[in-house]
Amino acid sequence: DVKVTQSSRYLVKRTGEKVFLECVQDMDHENMFWYRQDPGLGLRLIYFSYDVKMKEKGDIPEGYSVSREKKERFSLILESASTNQTSMYLCASSLPFRQGNEKLFFGSGTQLSVL
Amino acid sequence: AQTVTQSQPEMSVQEAETVTLSCTYDTSESDYYLFWYKQPPSRQMILVIRQEAYKQQNATENRFSVNFQKAAKSFSLKISDSQLGDAAMYFCALVGGSEKLVFGKGMKLTVNP
Repeated sequence: DVKVTQSSRYLVKRTGEKVFLECVQDMDHENMFWYRQDPGLGLRLIYFSYDVKMKEKGDIPEGYSVSREKKERFSLILESASTNQTSMYLCASSLPFRQGNEKLFFGSGTQLSVL
Repeated sequence: AQTVTQSQPEMSVQEAETVTLSCTYDTSESDYYLFWYKQPPSRQMILVIRQEAYKQQNATENRFSVNFQKAAKSFSLKISDSQLGDAAMYFCALVGGSEKLVFGKGMKLTVNP
């Protein structure tokens, strides 16, 4: 089975801290995604990557950056954490959809609280 | 830009009855795919059904079927013979050639026994 692993299930940080959220997949997927999920707002795309070292902004990239130095790892970085970044963060990976793929695999999520 | 709109935040249905979840979308791409995902309390996303935009035939998967109206940019999900296990959050999603996958806000479905 495909496994998408997020490094932390729960994380508590202080305002202004630099925060790293790590995501690793073990199925050689080209696509990786970072979403945040908030009640009433659904899943909002922060960044995605369709290949190593490639990254594209999603709908809410402000305050975030990403890194994809290796195919299996996609890191989300909060440069200076703020309270409005308190949220559930979900990482996902997939093969290219344009090749007919339909499966998307999610990690268990990281509940980040910024105090 | 790609957007997905689910205008109904919550719905309920009686067990064994039929319910339809609505979704509209917007995209400038000619080649795209639409999905319905189910998210139970475990938070893992489960694919319910998928539709390729170039296919005119509506996708069907057991008790789940879609009504895909390309001109109207509408993609509704029909659940027949609803079961208690169908209770979950349902998300409509869209991906185009850029591989950018966006979701709607979701809809909470309650199934009453």
